[in-house]
Amino acid sequence: DAGVTQSPTHLIKTRGQHVTLRCSPISGHKSVSWYQQVLGQGPQFIFQYYEKEERGRGNFPDRFSARQFPNYSSELNVNALLLGDSALYLCASSWGLAGGPRGKFFGPGTRLTVL
Amino acid sequence: SQQGEEDPQALSIQEGENATMNCSYKTSINNLQWYRQNSGRGLVHLILIRSNEREKHSGRLRVTLDTSKKSSSLLITASRAADTASYFCATSQGGSEKLVFGKGTKLTVNP
Repeated sequence: DAGVTQSPTHLIKTRGQHVTLRCSPISGHKSVSWYQQVLGQGPQFIFQYYEKEERGRGNFPDRFSARQFPNYSSELNVNALLLGDSALYLCASSWGLAGGPRGKFFGPGTRLTVL
Repeated sequence: SQQGEEDPQALSIQEGENATMNCSYKTSINNLQWYRQNSGRGLVHLILIRSNEREKHSGRLRVTLDTSKKSSSLLITASRAADTASYFCATSQGGSEKLVFGKGTKLTVNP
């Protein structure tokens, strides 16, 4: 079975632009979470979606938004990009809200560079 | 904000030696998980320990949890070069299933 997939792998944008990152969860998983990982730090929680509804939001500005589609895939949108948005964006999926005994399954991430 | 703090920040050992990493956290938790990350890519779940458990084993991994001290340790026995990676502890609290990660320990296992 395919794991969590994310696209694109890498992305370079300039300040003020908008970006859309995509995530496909493991088949059968209904929950998708997004994390931002700045170089040298641990991942920080941005959003969690379950059954197409937002179930949690981290301490990020309104420039960050997300949605989940009927097939449980998800998009993360970031508007008005800042240099500080440069990071690895990770998507994680799980069957339910909780990760269960096997935790959450992470995708390989999208490396966003803002110039 | 980061919940956990891993210690040490970096660890370099020889193949065959044991590696111990520690994690401290600030608030009460539902469970604590350890993840591995290779070369800044996706995280791989290693082990989960619930707040009512004190020790758990999985292969060469041993995790302990001391809720009174709000701390956990991850022991990797008989380390291999392939264990070279960054290791993160992550906690979930209360009714939220979001994970709060520490800053990680970078482990280097020299052949």
